[in-house]
Amino acid sequence: KNQVEQSPQSLIILEGKNCTLQCNYTVSPFSNLRWYKQDTGRGPVSLTIMTFSENTKSNGRYTATLDADTKQSSLHITASQLSDSASYICVVSRGSDYKLSFGAGTTVTVRA
Amino acid sequence: DSGVTQTPKHLITATGQRVTLRCSPRSGDLSVYWYQQSLDQGLQFLIQYYNGEERAKGNILERFSAQQFPDLHSELNLSSLELGDSALYFCASSTWDSSYEQYFGPGTRLTVT
Repeated sequence: KNQVEQSPQSLIILEGKNCTLQCNYTVSPFSNLRWYKQDTGRGPVSLTIMTFSENTKSNGRYTATLDADTKQSSLHITASQLSDSASYICVVSRGSDYKLSFGAGTTVTVRA
Repeated sequence: DSGVTQTPKHLITATGQRVTLRCSPRSGDLSVYWYQQSLDQGLQFLIQYYNGEERAKGNILERFSAQQFPDLHSELNLSSLELGDSALYFCASSTWDSSYEQYFGPGTRLTVT
């Protein structure tokens, strides 16, 4: 069973609308959690990285939250743009050996 | 541009053949990671090297091998290729270990016919 589960698997939103992606993990002990954006056929690009003590971090219109107690994170996209169409990947680093566990990703499609 | 370079961009080869993918990390980064991403699949971690030494292994097949050279560039060797090996292969680098930010290269698209 994957230690990082993302939902939904995919979603379609209209340009200008907001959306929220979810990431639940069981990785323990926890080191950090990252959100990546991957355009089709391109390498992932880091959006945010959060450690245990951080519960929110923003990068422009992207805001990530972390609840280390419930082992949940979310990525909120505000005022979506066509360029936000991509796959968003949640990655959790284990504290004991820094092994990375990858979620399967959420595919976001923004329509005009 | 992440600063990580990968060559070649595209590679088409036949089953049973052997290929080598090359990665140059960002200047100053000591760790290199290799990932495989098949069509519509998530990223699968293959292997990590740190300053020339193997640091961690993921779902890497025995037909695959990698190494990191003294100048810190890395090569991923894929042999006895099968149709199922067709995928995007990404290299990433980080300053130290995987607790640090990883920067991904543009990938090499391998097609096995």
